[in-house]
Amino acid sequence: KQEVTQIPAALSVPEGENLVLNCSFTDSAIYNLQWFRQDPGKGLTSLLLIQSSQREQTSGRLNASLDKSSGRSTLYIAASQPGDSATYLCAVRPGRSGGSNYKLTFGKGTLLTVNP
Amino acid sequence: NAGVTQTPKFRILKIGQSMTLQCTQDMNHNYMYWYRQDPGMGLKLIYYSVGAGITDKGEVPNGYNVSRSTTEDFPLRLELAAPSQTSVYFCASSYRGGNTEAFFGQGTRLTVV
Repeated sequence: KQEVTQIPAALSVPEGENLVLNCSFTDSAIYNLQWFRQDPGKGLTSLLLIQSSQREQTSGRLNASLDKSSGRSTLYIAASQPGDSATYLCAVRPGRSGGSNYKLTFGKGTLLTVNP
Repeated sequence: NAGVTQTPKFRILKIGQSMTLQCTQDMNHNYMYWYRQDPGMGLKLIYYSVGAGITDKGEVPNGYNVSRSTTEDFPLRLELAAPSQTSVYFCASSYRGGNTEAFFGQGTRLTVV
């Protein structure tokens, strides 16, 4: 059974700092990995999607990497801002050898606070 | 584009009552999903559908039912509400389900008292 772990559970940084959020998964047979942002009381907003054949994806100040063989992904946020404060979730979609590829398995998230 | 729309946003139910959480998407996505999110527990899959007329159970289906009569709509039915069903419910959709993004609605916060 696929398990997704996110470390740390919470992170507090001063504004302007570069930071890395970690995501690990136990079954490397994945189709893709997706990073989401969730603001308090809100839904999930997709940030980046990395296909299993890709090593990284970039969007603005965000860069996500994927090392499928070691079961790890990182989300790098450059020059953090107070508006980046939110919970960040990663989710993996299983590849065909891992069973049904319809379902996302989520980590519990990292709560990020960027202090002005 | 509206994306994935869920109604209602908030609801309080009494134990034993029934209700339907509505979900509709306008992206012509084949796959739709219902998740629940509990504090400290992450998101758990309740039911999913790969197309109109086809549904299947996820990790935590007990106490829920779904139907998919159209591509756009995927309602979630709670028949006999229990306090354990107090949660935030999210509907999501994706195209084909393979190498494509999943898009989520804004959620329904349900309290059963």
